[in-house]
Amino acid sequence: KAGVTQTPRYLIKTRGQQVTLSCSPISGHRSVSWYQQTPGQGLQFLFEYFSETQRNKGNFPGRFSGRQFSNSRSEMNVSTLELGDSALYLCASIGGQGISGANVLTFGAGSRLTVL
Amino acid sequence: AQTVTQSQPEMSVQEAETVTLSCTYDTSESDYYLFWYKQPPSRQMILVIRQEAYKQQNATENRFSVNFQKAAKSFSLKISDSQLGDAAMYFCAYRSMWGNTGKLIFGQGTTLQVKP
Repeated sequence: KAGVTQTPRYLIKTRGQQVTLSCSPISGHRSVSWYQQTPGQGLQFLFEYFSETQRNKGNFPGRFSGRQFSNSRSEMNVSTLELGDSALYLCASIGGQGISGANVLTFGAGSRLTVL
Repeated sequence: AQTVTQSQPEMSVQEAETVTLSCTYDTSESDYYLFWYKQPPSRQMILVIRQEAYKQQNATENRFSVNFQKAAKSFSLKISDSQLGDAAMYFCAYRSMWGNTGKLIFGQGTTLQVKP
């Protein structure tokens, strides 16, 4: 069973540009969450999508947006990039029986974004 | 709002010995999940162990076990017979049981070094 797939793995952008990151969840998982990881702020929740609808949103500016398609694949977009947006962006899908038989978040390997 | 605190930025352990990582959290909720995730240098977040707050019995997964003290809001991870492959950053995380399914609140992380 394939895991959570994130593309691209690494990318470099300049300030003011925009970027789109993609996440394909585990087959059968309908919920996808996004997280930003930085050395200073740690791991922070961005948003969650379930059945193409945003179900929850973290405390990030409107430059951060996302969407989910009918096949559960999700994209997140960051517009007007700032230096502080440099981070590892992690995607997680939810579902299945996990270790203890209930919903568990499974993470992808992440997309490392560097903004110059 | 819920918070998770890991007070040990770094820990080290000798191979084959036991180490305990600390985590405290704050919540007004009575039902929730607690997790320990491992993030090796490859950056892939891997679920180590989970605990449901309504369960009094501490969770165990092979060499990994937790000490869950609900009243004290404490959730420590014990790693027995430490192996070189256990070297990683460990994150404690909280999730509400109802709604917000994909939203985890993470601690700042503890970097574990395993010495041969």
